[in-house]
Amino acid sequence: DIQMTQSPASLSASLGETVTIECRASEDIYNGLAWYQQKPGKSPQLLIYNANSLHTGVPSRFSGSGSGTQYSLKINSLQSEDVASYFCQQYYNYPDTFGAGTKLELK
Amino acid sequence: EVQLVESGGGLVQPGSSLKLSCVASGFTFSNYGMNWIRQAPKKGLEWIALIYYDSSNKYYADSVKGRFTISRDNSKNTLYLEMNSLRSEDTAMYYCAKRAGSGLFDYWGQGVMVTVSS
Repeated sequence: DIQMTQSPASLSASLGETVTIECRASEDIYNGLAWYQQKPGKSPQLLIYNANSLHTGVPSRFSGSGSGTQYSLKINSLQSEDVASYFCQQYYNYPDTFGAGTKLELK
Repeated sequence: EVQLVESGGGLVQPGSSLKLSCVASGFTFSNYGMNWIRQAPKKGLEWIALIYYDSSNKYYADSVKGRFTISRDNSKNTLYLEMNSLRSEDTAMYYCAKRAGSGLFDYWGQGVMVTVSS
């Protein structure tokens, strides 16, 4: 199985700040990567797919980048509604696997 | 609007069985693969089962293979997960999720809690 290593595990940032979350795959996943946001008590919601494509309705302050084994999610101008946990997922190879998650809090 | 609504969870004893359901609306259910994904309390996400749009193929995580069965009824827009020989480590929130063509999960249900405890 492809292992997804996500960092940091937790992150504290101020409103308006830019934050970056990283995800490293144990082998090349050829941009088969998605990012999900999970707000407290809610189900995950798709943010980014194919490493850098924004899902319908997702604010443009979210962006994804990367290639090969290294990927990142960037949130520009952090808003209070962005407080959530974020997960990466590879879907290049079966079985789909997730990163352990990053919990984002306001400073 | 895509909606996925799970039901059937609850508190059960180790070794027992439970069947989850997920009713879909807002898209052509019979055209898409569907998945079950679970999340243990305060833990990450674990994909556990996939069924193709026409039930022609089914795949399972090793952790549930031989104990869980995924199925669907396209005439009822409903996805199922039959869980047997439940263990304490199966305690989790169970989500059904629609699979986009490339393999990612573009819509999720609200989840249903399964607690396995004596």
